[in-house]
Amino acid sequence: NAGVTQTPKFRILKIGQSMTLQCTQDMNHNYMYWYRQDPGMGLKLIYYSVGAGITDKGEVPNGYNVSRSTTEDFPLRLELAAPSQTSVYFCASYSGVLSGNTIYFGEGSWLTVV
Amino acid sequence: QKEVEQNSGPLSVPEGAIASLNCTYSDRGSQSFFWYRQYSGKSPELIMSIYSNGDKEDGRFTAQLNKASQYVSLLIRDSQPSDSATYLCALTLGAGGTSYGKLTFGQGTILTVHP
Repeated sequence: NAGVTQTPKFRILKIGQSMTLQCTQDMNHNYMYWYRQDPGMGLKLIYYSVGAGITDKGEVPNGYNVSRSTTEDFPLRLELAAPSQTSVYFCASYSGVLSGNTIYFGEGSWLTVV
Repeated sequence: QKEVEQNSGPLSVPEGAIASLNCTYSDRGSQSFFWYRQYSGKSPELIMSIYSNGDKEDGRFTAQLNKASQYVSLLIRDSQPSDSATYLCALTLGAGGTSYGKLTFGQGTILTVHP
């Protein structure tokens, strides 16, 4: 019963490097999300997807890209990392209104850009 | 004006007391409201959800929603040191199915329950 799995849990990047945060869920949810959380703040939506092949921007999309080739996977790509992207990243999936109306969060990925 | 506002605290209460956490929001079209608890270094954990005006109770927790005044609150009765955490208020904007489950969060209130 894995739920939402994120990798890596911790990563240090140098300015200008790129990386991909992986997210996979085994609940067959159509809706998936990426949030970031800065220290002392709430979560902010980066990107979301309502199904395979469909993605859209959230509140803070600049500097990120996503893809959704399968229902299970929703990777987040950071291009040209900047110190402002130092944050904790949470992937989440949503069961839908008719299936419990529940959002499941992954355990988070701590990213530091130096 | 922020879409979801919470007092960042910290809120300190003695063990056994009632902790009262408040949240106001700006979009009158908000439909669903949630309280999450987040321990340091962990992901948010859903405590309560509320969708209609009034009170909703679950064990030691009571959520209160007043859409006319645009606020939602969380009461924790018989507070325990294990309740010490950050409490995040969240909501979905928009009516019908347009929100796609997207959550808008407040900044969180730090609660400390001291023995």
